[in-house]
Amino acid sequence: DTEVTQTPKHLVMGMTNKKSLKCEQHMGHRAMYWYKQKAKKPPELMFVYSYEKLSINESVPSRFSPECPNSSLLNLHLHALQPEDSALYLCASSPSGTDPGYNEQFFGPGTRLTVL
Amino acid sequence: LAKTTQPISMDSYEGQEVNITCSHNNIATNDYITWYQQFPSQGPRFIIQGYKTKVTNEVASLFIPADRKSSTLSLPRVSLSDTAVYYCLVGTRGSQGNLIFGKGTKLSVKP
Repeated sequence: DTEVTQTPKHLVMGMTNKKSLKCEQHMGHRAMYWYKQKAKKPPELMFVYSYEKLSINESVPSRFSPECPNSSLLNLHLHALQPEDSALYLCASSPSGTDPGYNEQFFGPGTRLTVL
Repeated sequence: LAKTTQPISMDSYEGQEVNITCSHNNIATNDYITWYQQFPSQGPRFIIQGYKTKVTNEVASLFIPADRKSSTLSLPRVSLSDTAVYYCLVGTRGSQGNLIFGKGTKLSVKP
């Protein structure tokens, strides 16, 4: 299995809702990432997990809460989002947990989030 | 972190070779150069990575001159399906540099 899966593909939520995005990989990778991508813009790094521990948080608002329950799973919990948070949320993984910035990243297809 | 500069867009025709250049004037000694391809509404896909001179794989070639202040991604004989955005990233092993995407180059291949 050489892919990163993300669920759901699409999500529409209100500003008072709580929802979660899920990412899964079974390649034995030890680093996992969340990116946010707005239309016609490059992906922006949000969080990096290395060996299931949060290693990078790019000053993301607390309404986004990441969780890494095990080495194969990565969640992004969403609460009290704003309409400007609407974007494509991408998950990625890479083999090494010690060199997350160097290894090839494998990206999932993303979750298209719309906040009303 | 080394900043990268790429052309915003490029046009080409099917069957042509396409060269996309990335400028990274303040690249550090230990920095590597990585290229990704992204289709609309999909995640980026790794194309190639290199440190110096030339790297070639089944998809592309990466040319890096001796001063390493720029790099060129070469796509041989492009097809319509190569229409995508191409990102150049520069970063050091162990750093988050390779995680920072520049603005990318939108390549449009025409029949």
